[in-house]
Amino acid sequence: GAVVSQHPSWVICKSGTSVKIECRSLDFQATTMFWYRQFPKQSLMLMATSNEGSKATYEQGVEKDKFLINHASLTLSTLTVTSAHPEDSSFYICSASGPQRPQHFGDGTRLSIL
Amino acid sequence: KQEVTQIPAALSVPEGENLVLNCSFTDSAIYNLQWFRQDPGKGLTSLLLIQSSQREQTSGRLNASLDKSSGRSTLYIAASQPGDSATYLCAVRRGNTGTASKLTFGTGTRLQVTL
Repeated sequence: GAVVSQHPSWVICKSGTSVKIECRSLDFQATTMFWYRQFPKQSLMLMATSNEGSKATYEQGVEKDKFLINHASLTLSTLTVTSAHPEDSSFYICSASGPQRPQHFGDGTRLSIL
Repeated sequence: KQEVTQIPAALSVPEGENLVLNCSFTDSAIYNLQWFRQDPGKGLTSLLLIQSSQREQTSGRLNASLDKSSGRSTLYIAASQPGDSATYLCAVRRGNTGTASKLTFGTGTRLQVTL
């Protein structure tokens, strides 16, 4: 069964709203979580790496004020897309890893901004 | 900066054929390499993981090889089936903790196996 749960799987919202995506590790302590973004027919691009209890490390070109990441517990990380616009529409995937545990991926969230 | 390239970008084969997918990476200082499968609109399913000290890994009809020094990996699929149709991604990892454990993904190969 799934070891990483991502919610919601699909969200449609109006331009200007903020959207929160949750990533939960179900049966292990995820000391590190990763957030990826995938455009249609393209590969996954890492957005940021978050370690539990510390600030996320963002990849070059990713706006930290636009994509807020919180990793307050060992089982939950959230990505909030603030003031979303149509160009933020994409497929967002999280993954989680822990001590002696390889990365496990969530099923992704398809975000559509109208 | 690590760059990962996959060839071909797309492939269509008739059922039953054996096929090879290629992955190359520019920085050979990797910790491991992983092959994933992605179905349309879905997340990733890990297929095989090869540590940097290993040459190959096998799982069922899948065999992955790694030539770290030349920056290459191949995924061999034997006796392909329509259910193998998906996008196959390779990814490399520089380390095993923290930010070093992030995956750098290749561009993917979209495979279609026809009846």
